[in-house]
Amino acid sequence: NAGVTQTPKFRILKIGQSMTLQCTQDMNHNYMYWYRQDPGMGLKLIYYSVGAGITDKGEVPNGYNVSRSTTEDFPLRLELAAPSQTSVYFCASMQGSTDTQYFGPGTRLTVL
Amino acid sequence: GESVGLHLPTLSVQEGDNSIINCAYSNSASDYFIWYKQESGKGPQFIIDIRSNMDKRQGQRVTVLLNKTVKHLSLQIAATQPGDSAVYFCAENEASGTYKYIFGTGTRLKVLA
Repeated sequence: NAGVTQTPKFRILKIGQSMTLQCTQDMNHNYMYWYRQDPGMGLKLIYYSVGAGITDKGEVPNGYNVSRSTTEDFPLRLELAAPSQTSVYFCASMQGSTDTQYFGPGTRLTVL
Repeated sequence: GESVGLHLPTLSVQEGDNSIINCAYSNSASDYFIWYKQESGKGPQFIIDIRSNMDKRQGQRVTVLLNKTVKHLSLQIAATQPGDSAVYFCAENEASGTYKYIFGTGTRLKVLA
């Protein structure tokens, strides 16, 4: 199993550009999450999904969108990038029964 | 949430000593707690968890203690090794049966040779 994979690893965007951060898990987990981590801080939940076709907002959803058309994939969309979205983004998945989240390696995004 | 920026709380311990990392939580509805380890440039990695019906849980070289009365969680690492150097986060679920988690700001552990 590859676990949770994220692409790209790094990205620089200009203000106003859009992009999609990809997240895929091969563990057949029901739950998937997107977090952002600002320097020296903890994780803040952006969006999460409890299964294909179901998504819900987390603590900091503004400026982001998600979709969950399959169990494996949970892409995060930034429509109009802003400097405040400069952060490291982590995707995670969880089976549900164990409540252990498995994290991807992260995407470091800089908006200039 | 609380911001510590570059002033992340740091615990420095000598190699071979025991480490104790503390975490306070405020949500009385939380009934599941997790400790994660995050090495530089990597995603958080699960270390150990504990449910609210327990006070203590032991793993390999790690022990988690839960004091629900004062809403305090601690992670004890025995015989700390250089590979233990990382940032450690505690996390709690929002409420029983929910699958949203609240993460603490983290503590940086530095192991001195």
